[in-house]
Amino acid sequence: EADIYQTPRYLVIGTGKKITLECSQTMGHDKMYWYQQDPGMELHLIHYSYGVNSTEKGDLSSESTVSRIRTEHFPLTLESARPSHTSQYLCASSVGVNTEAFFGQGTRLTVV
Amino acid sequence: KQEVTQIPAALSVPEGENLVLNCSFTDSAIYNLQWFRQDPGKGLTSLLLIQSSQREQTSGRLNASLDKSSGRSTLYIAASQPGDSATYLCADRGGSNYKLTFGKGTLLTVNP
Repeated sequence: EADIYQTPRYLVIGTGKKITLECSQTMGHDKMYWYQQDPGMELHLIHYSYGVNSTEKGDLSSESTVSRIRTEHFPLTLESARPSHTSQYLCASSVGVNTEAFFGQGTRLTVV
Repeated sequence: KQEVTQIPAALSVPEGENLVLNCSFTDSAIYNLQWFRQDPGKGLTSLLLIQSSQREQTSGRLNASLDKSSGRSTLYIAASQPGDSATYLCADRGGSNYKLTFGKGTLLTVNP
């Protein structure tokens, strides 16, 4: 059973609001990732981290930002939400590169 | 740039049938390949991880194979059940940032 949690599960918010999507894992994994998934489409990497104070942008350009102040916590922030940000956001973690990646349940964001 | 393709995009079978899902990738320099299951509106559940040095992995009714030289992996599901209905995703881990690159998935429906 994967111990990686995302909150909230669902969020409907107005344009221009600042939001933070939370992701926490209790497995002590060093690597954490944020993926974006539109309906019927593949997952695209938007941010990743190799450890505390390490963050990098992924392949898909995103207006969101991330931070990694603690090993277990990897929040994603949108300073000003827009309808184009409507999507599902999935957080994942792994230890090393030769082990399984575990995913949270996702946050489905709708910006109106 | 790594690309992952999954065929077929959708598959509908009667309960009890054995089936094969296909995954192909363009760059054979991968660390491993992982198969996931995704239920509607949910996160990803890891099914099997195959290291680049392995040929196959088995878990219960699931068997995954990997042929790095041809850039292919298959997921074999024996004696399918209605509870197997979900989207199945394959992802390979490679590149300088050890990221997972996903296919679009195969939507499997097992009819009672």
